[in-house]
Amino acid sequence: AQSVTQPDIHITVSEGASLELRCNYSYGATPYLFWYVQSPGQGLQLLLKYFSGDTLVQGIKGFEAEFKRSQSSFNLRKPSVHWSDAAEYFCAVGTNRDDKIIFGKGTRLHILP
Amino acid sequence: GAGVSQTPSNKVTEKGKYVELRCDPISGHTALYWYRQSLGQGPEFLIYFQGTGAADDSGLPNDRFFAVRPEGSVSTLKIQRTERGDSAVYLCASSRDRAGGSPLHFGNGTRLTVT
Repeated sequence: AQSVTQPDIHITVSEGASLELRCNYSYGATPYLFWYVQSPGQGLQLLLKYFSGDTLVQGIKGFEAEFKRSQSSFNLRKPSVHWSDAAEYFCAVGTNRDDKIIFGKGTRLHILP
Repeated sequence: GAGVSQTPSNKVTEKGKYVELRCDPISGHTALYWYRQSLGQGPEFLIYFQGTGAADDSGLPNDRFFAVRPEGSVSTLKIQRTERGDSAVYLCASSRDRAGGSPLHFGNGTRLTVT
């Protein structure tokens, strides 16, 4: 069965600084990988997804993520964060063998002015 | 178009009571998921429907939880003999087809409080 780990519960960065949120997955074959964002009082919104092909994927709001098979990772990055990026970020993994999508516990991002 | 709709948005019930939570997915989406999110946690998988059938119900915590999707559209999550530990936000999501191949679209959730 697949699983996903987000090692950082909280991350604090200054506005304008770069950001990297870590995600590690466990699955024997090629996974489907997702990043979702949840702002206070809002539903979960898809930022980006990886299914196959180019391992660097671009998403909405200036986010990108890179699939690294050798490290079983799918880290989320943004070159310059904005105060509005403060939210909770969830990495999720699915497979082509079943359709269960499993979420990590999330990383809460705080932005310093 | 309309997104995933969940009703009610909030539900307060007494311990031991029965509750039903409703999910109206995006029109035409064949896959429907239920998740449960406790405070400070990620969404926890409960059950997944492909059409009318429950393709995977391995996440339901016990036999007090049951979900149906009789016509392949609206789904209802049913919880019998509620316990305080059932308090959480229950999220519904739908997907155009097999969710391995297309992303999930989430509703805003139903916040269940068991007193």
